Amino acid sequence: DAGVIQSPRHEVTEMGQEVTLRCKPISGHNSLFWYRQTMMRGLELLIYFNNNVPIDDSGMPEDRFSAKMPNASFSTLKIQPSEPRDSAVYFCASSLAAGQPQHFGDGTRLSIL
Amino acid sequence: GQQLNQSPQSMFIQEGEDVSMNCTSSSIFNTWLWYKQDPGEGPVLLIALYKAGELTSNGRLTAQFGITRKDSFLNISASIPSDVGIYFCAGQDGGANSKLTFGKGITLSVRP
Repeated sequence: DAGVIQSPRHEVTEMGQEVTLRCKPISGHNSLFWYRQTMMRGLELLIYFNNNVPIDDSGMPEDRFSAKMPNASFSTLKIQPSEPRDSAVYFCASSLAAGQPQHFGDGTRLSIL
Repeated sequence: GQQLNQSPQSMFIQEGEDVSMNCTSSSIFNTWLWYKQDPGEGPVLLIALYKAGELTSNGRLTAQFGITRKDSFLNISASIPSDVGIYFCAGQDGGANSKLTFGKGITLSVRP
């Protein structure tokens, strides 16, 4: 069975550039989550969607961050403009329904120079 | 805000030994989960616990949901080298609230 699929796996770009991270949740899962992982702060929830609708975006650090879920099988997390402090591993996770266990993708390792 | 505490940050054991990891919270959770993360990969769900006092096993892993709803532990028996990784606990309020709060993780090293 295909798990959560994220792309790209690695991204290196210069500060000021726009970055777009992509996620395909597990088929049939109705909830999708974006996390950021750093050594200092661990795993932090940025935003999550239920049935393609954003439910809680209180973890989104700044207006430079935005997320969309145009359909049940695709979501994007965009950073514009990017800054060096955005460097982290970004994970997408999905769950069958609200409150069910979350299953993670392998992440995108983002480096902003 | 809600916080989960995992300590120590690192554990070193000999292959074949059992190990226990604890996770405590400043507030109540209705669901507890344990994840393992290998280098370069995402966290993988090991065990999910839904009821206070629940004891659940998955192979050599056993986890319990504390009766106060503020703690959980994970036991690994007869450790093997592939048990190496970072173990995270996570708490969830449950119901329609899907937010997970993660601990900082414990890095487990297993000496052959």
